[in-house]
Amino acid sequence: KQEVTQIPAALSVPEGENLVLNCSFTDSAIYNLQWFRQDPGKGLTSLLLIQSSQREQTSGRLNASLDKSSGRSTLYIAASQPGDSATYLCAVRYGNKLVFGAGTILRVKS
Amino acid sequence: GAGVSQSPSNKVTEKGKDVELRCDPISGHTALYWYRQSLGQGLEFLIYFQGNSAPDKSGLPSDRFSAERTGGSVSTLTIQRTQQEDSAVYLCASSLGPPGPGNTIYFGEGSWLTVV
Repeated sequence: KQEVTQIPAALSVPEGENLVLNCSFTDSAIYNLQWFRQDPGKGLTSLLLIQSSQREQTSGRLNASLDKSSGRSTLYIAASQPGDSATYLCAVRYGNKLVFGAGTILRVKS
Repeated sequence: GAGVSQSPSNKVTEKGKDVELRCDPISGHTALYWYRQSLGQGLEFLIYFQGNSAPDKSGLPSDRFSAERTGGSVSTLTIQRTQQEDSAVYLCASSLGPPGPGNTIYFGEGSWLTVV
């Protein structure tokens, strides 16, 4: 069964800290992996897409890595800000569908 | 359009009534997806459309759920005889092409359905 797990479920950090969110998946036959952000009452915003052949992608303060063989991805957020507070979702692409993790709720305290 | 557009943004309906949710994908995107997010749950795949091909309906939870896509663009998700467990956010997404390693999926803001 294709399952995606995110750890931790929730995280609270002071402003300025660097942090890592973890995602693991059971089936390594992926097309790609995508990290999303979801703000309360809103839809999903795509942050980074890593193709199955890639090891990492960077956008601003965000860096996502992918290790297909071990079934893991991490999202690194540098110098966190209160505006980063949101739920972060990892989604793995298998065929026609994305399989989502349950998300990590991040709170950055000012 | 600039992004994926969904309507209504909020819908409250009585148990047993039918509802229709609409999705207008990003212009030029041939792939369209419906997902459901229930309170405290992860996102659940419902259905996928690609161009004029037969849709992948493998995620639809029951025969009360159906979806169509007219002219390869706008899609409507219909829930018949709604039940309270149908209460959720229904998210529509689109991507430029069929599933492929580099295709980013873009989501709308969702239609919040409450069945009372």
